[in-house]
Amino acid sequence: QKEVEQDPGPLSVPEGAIVSLNCTYSNSAFQYFMWYRQYSRKGPELLMYTYSSGNKEDGRFTAQVDKSSKYISLFIRDSQPSDSATYLCAMSGQTSYDKVIFGPGTSLSVIP
Amino acid sequence: EAGVAQSPRYKIIEKRQSVAFWCNPISGHATLYWYQQILGQGPKLLIQFQNNGVVDDSQLPKDRFSAERLKGVDSTLKIQPAKLEDSAVYLCASWAGGNEQFFGPGTRLTVL
Repeated sequence: QKEVEQDPGPLSVPEGAIVSLNCTYSNSAFQYFMWYRQYSRKGPELLMYTYSSGNKEDGRFTAQVDKSSKYISLFIRDSQPSDSATYLCAMSGQTSYDKVIFGPGTSLSVIP
Repeated sequence: EAGVAQSPRYKIIEKRQSVAFWCNPISGHATLYWYQQILGQGPKLLIQFQNNGVVDDSQLPKDRFSAERLKGVDSTLKIQPAKLEDSAVYLCASWAGGNEQFFGPGTRLTVL
């Protein structure tokens, strides 16, 4: 079993839809959870950074962490064509300096 | 604020040749990472520096890869000799803690 699993997609939604992206993980020691957006031929861009369980909201983006289920989610409200990218989940351990493990990414297309 | 700079952006070499990549992180960021991203996968950590000391290099193929961070600022990653399976994008990232993490644009390496 891989440490971090993520449905690779591709996921295609109409503009304005709510997008739900998910990851599962196996290592219960993970404490820090991140979501990145990566446009084609660019480096990843950190979108959300959360510690432990709970929700965090930033504009149209909401990150949820459920440590009991080892499951994290990213919701995008009112999706825009500019949201079309690959979304990577990532997580790390006891300290924020621990090694970060990335999921394989989900490719998202938002159709105008 | 200037971002993370990497060079070259693209490199094509033949197997068994050597290659070097350069990274200039954001000023003041103590933590620097080198990641390898193979097409369709998430980034995989190769080495993590804290200032000029190595924090984690457990996934660095040390028989062919080497990295150094000069005076806790710039860093170079070298591959010698290169193999076909080293074809990937090599990403550099720097981090100041919390959500202050930024990736460079990457170096796309093709080994023929």
